[in-house]
Amino acid sequence: SQTIHQWPATLVQPVGSPLSLECTVEGTSNPNLYWYRQAAGRGLQLLFYSVGIGQISSEVPQNLSASRPQDRQFILSSKKLLLSDSGFYLCAWTKPDRTNTEAFFGQGTRLTVV
Amino acid sequence: AQSVAQPEDQVNVAEGNPLTVKCTYSVSGNPYLFWYVQYPNRGLQFLLKYITGDNLVKGSYGFEAEFNKSQTSFHLKKPSALVSDSALYFCAVRELSSASKIIFGSGTRLSIRP
Repeated sequence: SQTIHQWPATLVQPVGSPLSLECTVEGTSNPNLYWYRQAAGRGLQLLFYSVGIGQISSEVPQNLSASRPQDRQFILSSKKLLLSDSGFYLCAWTKPDRTNTEAFFGQGTRLTVV
Repeated sequence: AQSVAQPEDQVNVAEGNPLTVKCTYSVSGNPYLFWYVQYPNRGLQFLLKYITGDNLVKGSYGFEAEFNKSQTSFHLKKPSALVSDSALYFCAVRELSSASKIIFGSGTRLSIRP
């Protein structure tokens, strides 16, 4: 069966420090991968999605970047964190080439920038 | 561009009563529609989806949703609410022309009182 791992679960970082959040998927090949941010327990904002290695689509211009160095690995990064980067970050995956399938989510990372 | 609207920030229902959480969508092609539930500080859990066929879709935990193409709606329903149904609910849409992108609504907090 497929599983998705996201870490760390919580993170407190000072303003101006770098960020690296990692997400990996097991049990499937060539998944579509997603990063979402949820502010204040409300709506999900799509940040990035990827349909393959090295292929990243950015939805919202901001202080963050994403990379997909391996088929089942998706990394969210920042060179210098802002206070506004605080939030709950969720990684998700879907089956490849199947638009009618649902997304499966990791447990999320609570990021607090201080 | 595809979009999803959840017009109610919060829905309050007494235990045992029926519940409805509203969702409307906008896509340029055929929609694939999803409902998810989120418990505090957790990732999203898939409830049900509409792809094609019967407009009434049944999902997990006794939830169902009705697809209405003319009203571009996909409301979540349950005949008899439980206190344990209290959570944050998200509607999401995916369309064939933008195969990999999944857009979520702003979420509706469902509160079931004993």
